[in-house]
Amino acid sequence: KQEVTQIPAALSVPEGENLVLNCSFTDSAIYNLQWFRQDPGKGLTSLLLIQSSQREQTSGRLNASLDKSSGRSTLYIAASQPGDSATYLCAVWGGGSNYKLTFGKGTLLTVNP
Amino acid sequence: GAGVSQSPSNKVTEKGKDVELRCDPISGHTALYWYRQRLGQGLEFLIYFQGNSAPDKSGLPSDRFSAERTGESVSTLTIQRTQQEDSAVYLCASSGFNEQFFGPGTRLTVL
Repeated sequence: KQEVTQIPAALSVPEGENLVLNCSFTDSAIYNLQWFRQDPGKGLTSLLLIQSSQREQTSGRLNASLDKSSGRSTLYIAASQPGDSATYLCAVWGGGSNYKLTFGKGTLLTVNP
Repeated sequence: GAGVSQSPSNKVTEKGKDVELRCDPISGHTALYWYRQRLGQGLEFLIYFQGNSAPDKSGLPSDRFSAERTGESVSTLTIQRTQQEDSAVYLCASSGFNEQFFGPGTRLTVL
């Protein structure tokens, strides 16, 4: 059974700081990995999707890496802004769960002005 | 076209009542998923529909939960005889190929 762990559970940083969110998964036979953002009371917004054959994806100030063999992914946020404050969720597709996404519990990020 | 939509956005009900939650997927998406997010917990898979195949109901927590989907369109998640532990945000997602797109969710509160 696939399990996804995210560290840290919560993070508070001053505006402008670069930061890294971590995600690990137990079964490396995944199809892809997605990072989502969730704002309070809102649904999920997909940030980056990394296929199993890829090692990283970039979108603006966000960069996600994937090391499938070690079961790890990181989300790097450059020059953080207060608007980045949200919960960031990592989810893997596959790895014993076939077509279902298995989610971590998320990292609650607060960027202080 | 538009993204995944869900209704209602909020639902407050009394323990023991039945509720129906609706999901409209992105047009053309053959796959549809329901997930549940309880307070302080990660998202839990509930049920998966793919085209006209039999749905995967392995994530439904009890026989009080059921879901239907007509073809490749709207889906309804029904919870009978609601309990307080059913309080959660219920999220629907649809997929065309290799990425799932989520709706805004329905926040269910059982008093």
